[in-house]
Amino acid sequence: QKEVEQNSGPLSVPEGAIASLNCTYSDRGSQSFFWYRQYSGKSPELIMSIYSNGDKEDGRFTAQLNKASQYVSLLIRDSQPSDSATYLCAVGTGGFKTIFGAGTRLFVKA
Amino acid sequence: SAVISQKPSRDICQRGTSLTIQCQVDSQVTMMFWYRQQPGQSLTLIATANQGSEATYESGFVIDKFPISRPNLTFSTLTVSNMSPEDSSIYLCSVEDEGVGQPQHFGDGTRLSIL
Repeated sequence: QKEVEQNSGPLSVPEGAIASLNCTYSDRGSQSFFWYRQYSGKSPELIMSIYSNGDKEDGRFTAQLNKASQYVSLLIRDSQPSDSATYLCAVGTGGFKTIFGAGTRLFVKA
Repeated sequence: SAVISQKPSRDICQRGTSLTIQCQVDSQVTMMFWYRQQPGQSLTLIATANQGSEATYESGFVIDKFPISRPNLTFSTLTVSNMSPEDSSIYLCSVEDEGVGQPQHFGDGTRLSIL
């Protein structure tokens, strides 16, 4: 059974701090990795894709991938209250299948 | 990325009835996906719909309960049949960007409550 694991949280950080969200996956053959943000009552929205080991930055977001450790993370710099949401880690396992983690709830305190 | 329209956005239904959810995409896509998200839970894939062939269902989901149509490359429907309170959930359709290993994008979802 291919799995994607995330800490459910809630992760609480003060406004302006760095929020660090982590994810591990079980399928060593996975090649594509995604982070989605889901506000309460809304559908998931893609915020980052990463395919190679290392860091990928997009604005305040940085995705980090370590395939040897089967570990993906998302850093949010200068966290804002509007970043408060559930963040879903998703892993493409080949073909057309994507496995989603259960999500980490982030709360940014003003 | 594609624009995905899903309807209805929400509904309240009586047990034993059926509801058909529609998903329309503004561009042609190969694969469409149907997910269920129960309160406080993550996404569970129900089935993958490929135009011109039968949908592929995940373990725990059957065609009699969740029949899917995919008549063309821009449209799909999911029917939730003989509903019970356990079917109360958010149902989401998604499409994948063309190419291997591309991300999926979601419609706004259908919030379904069964009385």
